[in-house]
Amino acid sequence: DAGVIQSPRHEVTEMGQEVTLRCKPISGHNSLFWYRQTMMRGLELLIYFNNNVPIDDSGMPEDRFSAKMPNASFSTLKIQPSEPRDSAVYFCASSLLAERGEQFFGPGTRLTVL
Amino acid sequence: SQQGEEDPQALSIQEGENATMNCSYKTSINNLQWYRQNSGRGLVHLILIRSNEREKHSGRLRVTLDTSKKSSSLLITASRAADTASYFCATAPSGAGSYQLTFGKGTKLSVIP
Repeated sequence: DAGVIQSPRHEVTEMGQEVTLRCKPISGHNSLFWYRQTMMRGLELLIYFNNNVPIDDSGMPEDRFSAKMPNASFSTLKIQPSEPRDSAVYFCASSLLAERGEQFFGPGTRLTVL
Repeated sequence: SQQGEEDPQALSIQEGENATMNCSYKTSINNLQWYRQNSGRGLVHLILIRSNEREKHSGRLRVTLDTSKKSSSLLITASRAADTASYFCATAPSGAGSYQLTFGKGTKLSVIP
């Protein structure tokens, strides 16, 4: 298995632009997570999907952030409009058993908003 | 809120020595997990220990859990240069919402060849 795939790996954009991050979870996993990692705040859960349905989006910082999972093999995290404070590494992770199980992380997307 | 807190924040040892990292947490857990992150990469799951377990081994890794003290330790024996990475503990809460892992800020381990 190829593992969790994320694209792009690096994104540099200007403030106000729309940013879309993409994730393909491991085949057969029914749970998907989006995290954000910064030096100041560490690793934070943004949103959790189970069977393509958003279960917990309490970590999404603002309405500028939105996430979708149209099918079991694809998810997007969109930031519109982007701001410099959104600069971080964004990780997607998937799991076969979200409750009490290990999570498999993708390589991350390093986002820089100028 | 930060649940797991690792200690120390940074650790530097010689190759062949053992490395011990500690994690403390605040609320009841279903399980505790340790992850490794190499620079610029995603997190890799190392080991999971459930709340009713006290010790677990996986290769050169040994994890202990003391729920009465709300603490865990990760021991890496006979360290190698390739073990250089950041190590994170993550707690899954007991009850509803146990999918929600809360990560500490990590221990940065440097193994000097």
